[in-house]
Parts: sequence; structure tokens; C-alpha cells
Amino acid sequence: DAGVIQSPRHEVTEMGQEVTLRCKPISGHNSLFWYRQTMMRGLELLIYFNNNVPIDDSGMPEDRFSAKMPNASFSTLKIQPSEPRDSAVYFCASMAGFTDTQYFGPGTRLTVL
Amino acid sequence: QKEVEQNSGPLSVPEGAIASLNCTYSDRGSQSFFWYRQYSGKSPELIMFIYSNGDKEDGRFTAQLNKASQYVSLLIRDSQPSDSATYLCAVNGAGGTSYGKLTFGQGTILTVHP
Repeated sequence: DAGVIQSPRHEVTEMGQEVTLRCKPISGHNSLFWYRQTMMRGLELLIYFNNNVPIDDSGMPEDRFSAKMPNASFSTLKIQPSEPRDSAVYFCASMAGFTDTQYFGPGTRLTVL
Repeated sequence: QKEVEQNSGPLSVPEGAIASLNCTYSDRGSQSFFWYRQYSGKSPELIMFIYSNGDKEDGRFTAQLNKASQYVSLLIRDSQPSDSATYLCAVNGAGGTSYGKLTFGQGTILTVHP
């Protein structure tokens, strides 16, 4: 099993640019989660999907952030426009049914200059 | 008050000793509790979960849950240098749309020295 796949692994961009992070969940998993991790705030849940439908986006910091899951095997997290305070590691995780076990991808390290 | 609180450490123990990591949570309706390990520069990986009051053992790891005190802990016996990592406590939502919604503590940095 390939595990959760995220791309890119590293992204460096300038303030004001659009950033798109991508995630492929483990095949057969029907829940997908986007997290952000910083030293100051720790690991925070941004949004999660169940069967491709957004269930809870209360963690999305502001309207600059948006997430989509057009099908069971792909999700994107977009930041437009990006700001330096968005610099963080963004993790995607997936979970099968009601197993309670979330599997994390390797993360995308985002740096906004 | 943070929803899930951990002592950030660092906690330093000698090789072979027992490491004790603690976590408290605020939502009394929480149903399930997790310990994740995160090595520097890596993603979190699940090492234990517990649903019921009491102890749950898996190899060198023991998770302990006390719902009345809203307290969960992780014991690592015979600590090894390879156990050096950040340990994250996570608590699942109380149900409904909160199910699957994990709230993480800030993590405790553990260092096991030879």
C-alpha cells in the first residue's frame, strides 16, 4: 500500500501568490483530513471530508483558504493569496470507515516569503 | 483553557527507564483517545488508542485512561534512544459531525539518553 501521498513536499512562494497542495488518500478510505502544524499552534485540523463531502471546515483560518475533494482519490487545499503567516507544514490524513485510525501523509512544507 | 493539554517537556530519561507522558482533556463527551509519535521532520504515526477506562498494553507501551479525571497517559517501558520523539495526545470528538475530528495537544518532547 502506497500510503497517503502529498505533493509537493516542499513549496516556496512569494506573498500574494496562489498555492495549491494536493493529497491522494489511501485507496478505500472514505474520510480525509487536512491539518496544519506550526511551532506556535501545534497540529490543527483545518477541514475534513467524509465520502467527498466537507463535514467540518470550522478550522479553516479565513476565506483565503479553500479545499475540495472532487473524487474519492484526490483532494486539494488552496491558499489565495498566500501570506507569510501561512508558512507551516500541511498534512493530509485519511481514515477508513469508522475505524478511528488516521494515517498521515508525509506533509508539505510551505514557506511564504 | 486548551482542549487537550500536555506538558511540553522536554522529558529526559535514561535508556532502560520508564517514560511517563501525561495528557488532560476538557470535553467530557470525548469517546476515544490516541497517542501519536512524531519524529523530527516526519509525520505523526499512531502508536496506541484507548476507549475504556483502565490500562491497555501493547508491547513496551501502556496507555491509561481515567474518564472521571479526564486524564490519559502513556507509559513507555525499557525506553530506547529510538523512542526519542515528540508524543502527541489526541482526543476524538463526542460524536455526530465531531466524529473523526481529532484535537491534538501541543506534544511532549521525549529524549532517551544512553
